[in-house]
Amino acid sequence: LAKTTQPISMDSYEGQEVNITCSHNNIATNDYITWYQQFPSQGPRFIIQGYKTKVTNEVASLFIPADRKSSTLSLPRVSLSDTAVYYCLVGDIRDKIIFGKGTRLHILP
Amino acid sequence: NAGVMQNPRHLVRRRGQEARLRCSPMKGHSHVYWYRQLPEEGLKFMVYLQKENIIDESGMPKERFSAEFPKEGPSILRIQQVVRGDSAAYFCASSQGPGSDYEQYFGPGTRLTVT
Repeated sequence: LAKTTQPISMDSYEGQEVNITCSHNNIATNDYITWYQQFPSQGPRFIIQGYKTKVTNEVASLFIPADRKSSTLSLPRVSLSDTAVYYCLVGDIRDKIIFGKGTRLHILP
Repeated sequence: NAGVMQNPRHLVRRRGQEARLRCSPMKGHSHVYWYRQLPEEGLKFMVYLQKENIIDESGMPKERFSAEFPKEGPSILRIQQVVRGDSAAYFCASSQGPGSDYEQYFGPGTRLTVT
């Protein structure tokens, strides 16, 4: 599984768009990019997954450049309830997920 | 459709006792994964099971830890002779199948405290 690097923490304000970038220089051809969200005292929750270009769902957008060596999770108009840890995961996830420390996003009023 | 259920949510054990953590996957899911999370850390994979089979236990300590997923009933993660270092949150996830096409759904976790 490819190693990922993402910021340890980020602060933002309510109503703003938040972009969290993840580096994965060693991504393999078969690897997907997946983002999970974890609130305190809860299990992680799947947010979005992509392979290339752009993916959008009701929660977020995922931007993946052509070389796929990085990806950016975009959260539009965040609210206080978006305060959580966000994990970027890369791999051909056939049997397990390897989580890093994630990015602690803190939304301020 | 109920989500992944884990019980108990909180478990306190004294050193040397046994801890049994249960996970009921979502209906229709036959793949179960167990993860451990220490405070301020990401989740660490422990074991992956399919009904009655252990597929990958590469993340599970070789001593004191065992896991099963019987044909009937929940998956069980068993920790014998617990030590203080076993204190952590243990999460279980389930999916319909392996591979990146199948999303893993996580349970609320069991918080184990060893005193």
